[in-house]
Amino acid sequence: EVQLVESGGGLVQPGGSLRLSCPASGFTFSSYWMSWVRQAPGKGLEWVANIKQDGSEKYYVDSVKGRFTISRDNAKNSLYLQMNSLRAEDTAVYYCARVSFWGVVVSAAIFDYWGQGTLVTVSS
Amino acid sequence: DIQMTQSPSSLSASVGDRVTITCRASQSISNYLSWYQQKPGKAPKLLIYAASSLQSGVPSRFSGSGSGTDFTLTISSLQPEDFATYYCQLSYSVPYSFGQGTKLEI
Repeated sequence: EVQLVESGGGLVQPGGSLRLSCPASGFTFSSYWMSWVRQAPGKGLEWVANIKQDGSEKYYVDSVKGRFTISRDNAKNSLYLQMNSLRAEDTAVYYCARVSFWGVVVSAAIFDYWGQGTLVTVSS
Repeated sequence: DIQMTQSPSSLSASVGDRVTITCRASQSISNYLSWYQQKPGKAPKLLIYAASSLQSGVPSRFSGSGSGTDFTLTISSLQPEDFATYYCQLSYSVPYSFGQGTKLEI
């Protein structure tokens, strides 16, 4: 059974930092791209970042570029999100998600497994 | 960036009804569209990818169609467990934009 379990959320002041973790089990972690997706309270879903299997490629939504860093440790089967210079608008539930691809001509990404999420609240 | 727009934003229906949710892309995305279901307090669940391919384990009352800019998610006969929020998602390029969601209510 695939399991993703986020942790590390909490209350932080504007300008502060947090590091989210997501240990994975039930699949070969090192074979998959992984993502972080967030959801502000009462709002929709927003993709945040992607990381390739070996960590050599990373992509971010514009609003977090230069502030957030996605990383992984394949030896520990874990995904991370380092969040610096946090803003009130970063307040959200953060989900880690496994990425699978389909398609021959273009590789299209789907989020086929999700964790339960961890809440990050940025407030003074 | 490509924008995804869903309609309606909310929808009231009854058990047994057939419902359709629409998603429109701001430019052609071929069939690179996925649909997710989210229940309150829970993580999203993948329902359909490639516009019309049913994810393993998803009931056959769910179906998807469309190509280019216009897509639909149809639930053929609503069950009590289907009342949730549904999101479409662009799946071929970052940032993987989601629609704003459609809340399906009793």
